[in-house]
Amino acid sequence: GAVVSQHPSRVICKSGTSVKIECRSLDFQATTMFWYRQFPKQSLMLMATSNEGSKATYEQGVEKDKFLINHASLTLSTLTVTSAHPEDSSFYICGGAGGQETQYFGPGTRLLVL
Amino acid sequence: GENVGLHLPTLSVQEGDNSIINCAYSNSASDYFIWYKQESGKGPQFIIDIRSNMDKRQGQRVTVLLNKTVKHLSLQIAATQPGDSAVYFCAEIRGSSNTGKLIFGQGTTLQVKP
Repeated sequence: GAVVSQHPSRVICKSGTSVKIECRSLDFQATTMFWYRQFPKQSLMLMATSNEGSKATYEQGVEKDKFLINHASLTLSTLTVTSAHPEDSSFYICGGAGGQETQYFGPGTRLLVL
Repeated sequence: GENVGLHLPTLSVQEGDNSIINCAYSNSASDYFIWYKQESGKGPQFIIDIRSNMDKRQGQRVTVLLNKTVKHLSLQIAATQPGDSAVYFCAEIRGSSNTGKLIFGQGTTLQVKP
């Protein structure tokens, strides 16, 4: 299957700071990228969908000004958690799709906000 | 949201036995389904997929069955091994669009006893 990377794999930050997570498709062009968050022992919750060069589409209840998504190229999307708070602590996962329906996922980023 | 924050059900099997993991989906318009495996602290890994015009598909040691009448999907793992221990999610593409937006099931934890 296709390979997606995420960086960083783990980040600890202070409350009020912003954190940027990168998602890269390494061996395919991801025309669409998806961002999910996952709490312990729960399923993946879709946060937003982004197409290269377009504004992201956010799911209901997800604050677009808090979770900034940029999809500037076919191989890179970034998620910035602005003014992070402890309740934002979670496992963030990106998925990439290259025009087909199958979505391939990154290894995830563990965010801990103190 | 689409997913409910329920704790994941657990299936415990003996090494070497066959495992059957079940999933119910809600939208009869869904036409593409995927099974993912997620190990602790990692992103979901593609296992196998099936389209709605099929009722069975086989891979290496895995078989997916689709029953559209009762909107039920199952994943069968033959000769389960300790490395199969993980959380398994079914996911569906709703509708016939190519947006690739996946809706995840709640997941099942598979524990393999040696």
